[in-house]
Order: sequence, then C-alpha cells, then structure tokens
Amino acid sequence: NAGVTQTPKFRVLKTGQSMTLLCAQDMNHEYMYWYRQDPGMGLRLIHYSVGEGTTAKGEVPDGYNVSRLKKQNFLLGLESAAPSQTSVYFCASSRYTLASYEQYFGPGTRLTVT
Amino acid sequence: KQEVTQIPAALSVPEGENLVLNCSFTDSAIYNLQWFRQDPGKGLTSLLLIQSSQREQTSGRLNASLDKSSGRSTLYIAASQPGDSATYLCAVSSQGGSEKLVFGKGMKLTVNP
Repeated sequence: NAGVTQTPKFRVLKTGQSMTLLCAQDMNHEYMYWYRQDPGMGLRLIHYSVGEGTTAKGEVPDGYNVSRLKKQNFLLGLESAAPSQTSVYFCASSRYTLASYEQYFGPGTRLTVT
Repeated sequence: KQEVTQIPAALSVPEGENLVLNCSFTDSAIYNLQWFRQDPGKGLTSLLLIQSSQREQTSGRLNASLDKSSGRSTLYIAASQPGDSATYLCAVSSQGGSEKLVFGKGMKLTVNP
C-alpha cells in the first residue's frame, strides 16, 4: 500500500514550457486535491476533484489545469510555466468516513521555473 | 472567508517540556479540524482529526482539543523529544465545503536535547 505518490519529485522548467504532474493513490479515495506550498503563504488549494471525471477550482487555480480520467490518478498541468509557479506542489486524497474527510498527502514535487 | 492562524510561527524548547500549540479560526461553522506534521522536505502526515461534534482526540503523547465557539484548537505534546522537531500545521474544513481544508501557515517546533 503505497498511499499517495507523486511524479516527478523535482523538476526545473524554463518560462513558457509546459509540464504535467502526476498524482496516484491506491486507497480507493473519491476525493483528490492539488495544493501549492510557498514560504510565508502556507498551503493553498489549486484544484480538487470529488470523483472520477470531475474537477473543481480551489483558491488559486489560474495558470493550472487538471484532469481525473481514472479514479486513482489526478493530473496537474502547467500549459505555460511562469516564475510565479515556482513552488512545492502537494497532492492529497480523502474519502468520507466516520463523518469526516481525513486527507492523506503525497511527498511533494519541487518545481523551479527559471 | 475562513482564515486559520497559528501563533507563534516558531518555538524552541528544551527536551522534556510539555507543549501547547495554538490554532485559531475565524468561522466557527467548521466541519472538522485536522492537525498535521511536516518534516523538512517531506509531505504532510496527519496526526489527529477532530470532528465538529467532538471536544478532543488523543494519540499517544498528543492530545488535540477543539472549542468551536471560541474558534480555537490546541495541540498538546507531552514530554517533548528531539524527534518531535517539525512544522505543525492546523487545517479546518467548513460546513459549506466539508471536503476542502483551509490551512494555517504552521508552527516550526525545535526541541533541543
């Protein structure tokens, strides 16, 4: 049981390049989330999904797109990377159980845009 | 808009002290509250989750309490150890979006041997 995994762990992009971050979970969770973590800003929700084939915007969605074609995978895309997107990106998943949604996090992807 | 605050941002203590970490939130209509631990360069590990109907949860040396009416939660760490050194984050979900969390900025704890 690997929990939540993220690929890649590190990446350096040039401004304007595109890339996709992959999140996978093996816990059969309905809900999946993408966050970014920046110094002094804490974790902020980018996009989330409440089930296969669904996506919704979070607090800071601009510049990102997501897809949830399979229940176990949640992809985060950057179509044209900007230096402001330099951050650590975390994926999380949860399910509704015992009247709560407990979130489980992946190890993170450190992205630098130059 | 829900806002979560953790003060102080950092704390350094000698080993063996009992610690209280504070978390406050502006909207008392929460669904649940979750405490996390984050080690440098790592992801978040869930420590405790308190449902809105509960007053506290315990796990080993950790005890988290919730006072919805005052918009506060505390994480109590008994007999602190150097291995407890990490950043601790508090997050709440609201009634209007119970599947989503709003995070505080965290408190960096250093326990000195």
